[in-house]
Parts: sequence; structure tokens; C-alpha cells
Amino acid sequence: DAKTTQPTSMDCAEGRAANLPCNHSTISGNEYVYWYRQIHSQGPQYIIHGLKNNETNEMASLIITEDRKSSTLILPHATLRDTAVYYCIVRVAVSGAGSYQLTFGKGTKLSVIP
Amino acid sequence: DAGVTQSPTHLIKTRGQQVTLRCSPKSGHDTVSWYQQALGQGPQFIFQYYEEEERQRGNFPDRFSGHQFPNYSSELNVNALLLGDSALYLCASRFSPAPNYGYTFGSGTRLTVV
Repeated sequence: DAKTTQPTSMDCAEGRAANLPCNHSTISGNEYVYWYRQIHSQGPQYIIHGLKNNETNEMASLIITEDRKSSTLILPHATLRDTAVYYCIVRVAVSGAGSYQLTFGKGTKLSVIP
Repeated sequence: DAGVTQSPTHLIKTRGQQVTLRCSPKSGHDTVSWYQQALGQGPQFIFQYYEEEERQRGNFPDRFSGHQFPNYSSELNVNALLLGDSALYLCASRFSPAPNYGYTFGSGTRLTVV
């Protein structure tokens, strides 16, 4: 799986959009980009994933550049409860019951400030 | 809809002892993975179980073993505990027919070895 690079930490004002970048310059055509977050003392929470197209769900939007070498997770209206470590993970697509592991880095510590 | 349930939530063991951690996957999920998360680090993959067999293993010694039962629940066993085994142990589950969707994680078991 391709490696990812994320900033160590970021601040965001409450109510503003939080834009979390991730570089994955060695990504292959069959590798997905996943985002998880981990609020203190809890297990990681799946947020969103995408292959080529931009994706949006009730939690966030994922913008993937055309060359797929980087992506941005967007939390449109950050709240204090969004303070967490955000992990960007790249993983090859599997089929059926194929095994795969998630390789977590150190992520980005997002602090939402009142 | 119950998510992933792990027990116990906290545990203190003495060096050299053995420990068993338990996990019930999210309803409808059939694949279970275990991760170890040391303080300040991202989760590290231990192994994955599907159809009661270990399908993939991370870089962990044989002291770490597991089991999956017919109802898809799982156990993680660690023998001859070391101080360095102190960590948050996370269980994650997914639905094998949808292998590229996100995992659901439990809140973990905090193991302290003294």
C-alpha cells in the first residue's frame, strides 16, 4: 500500500470548514483513499473513502486530485466534537473475502477552537 | 444497532501472565481484525480472522494468538506478557461481501502490564 504524508497538527475555528490534506504521491490505480478519525480514548471511526471521484456523505467530503497524488478531507462546519486525530490511509482494493490490513500512520491532530 | 463490543474495557496483568480479550463484531459482520495501539501511536495490525481461520498476520510474535467462533465473535490471547504489551487493543469488523467499505472499530481494551 502506498505511503501517506499528513501534517502533524492543525487548528480550526468552530463553525468553519476544516480542510485536512494528505499526500499519497505513489498511489496506484487500484488503491482507495480512506479516512478514519480517533477521538481520545475511543476506537477509530470510519469517515469516508474514495477511488477516483470526489465523495460526500453525512460526515464529510473527500476531494481527490485528478492525478490522485493527494486528497483533502473537508468537515464543512467543524464542531468541538470533531477534535480528534484524523488518519489518511491508502489501501489496495480487494475482492470477495480478501484479507487486508489498515496501515495507520500518526495522523493529523485536529483541534477545533471555540 | 450494536456496534463492535469488546470486553473487558480495562485490565491489569502481571508480567509473565496470560490474557484473553474478547470481541463481538457488529451485527451482520463476519470478518474480525485485531490491532494494538501503543500510547501516542497509530494502531498496528495484529491479525485478521474470517471463517474461523487466521487469514492475515502482522509483525507480531507467536505469543499473540486468536480464535474466531462460529457466531463470528473472536478472542485475542497473549501469553507470557511483557511490559511492552501494555496498550489499547482494538477489534474491528467488516462484512466480507463488501470488502472495500470501512471497518467498524470497538472502543478497545486497555491492557496494563505491571
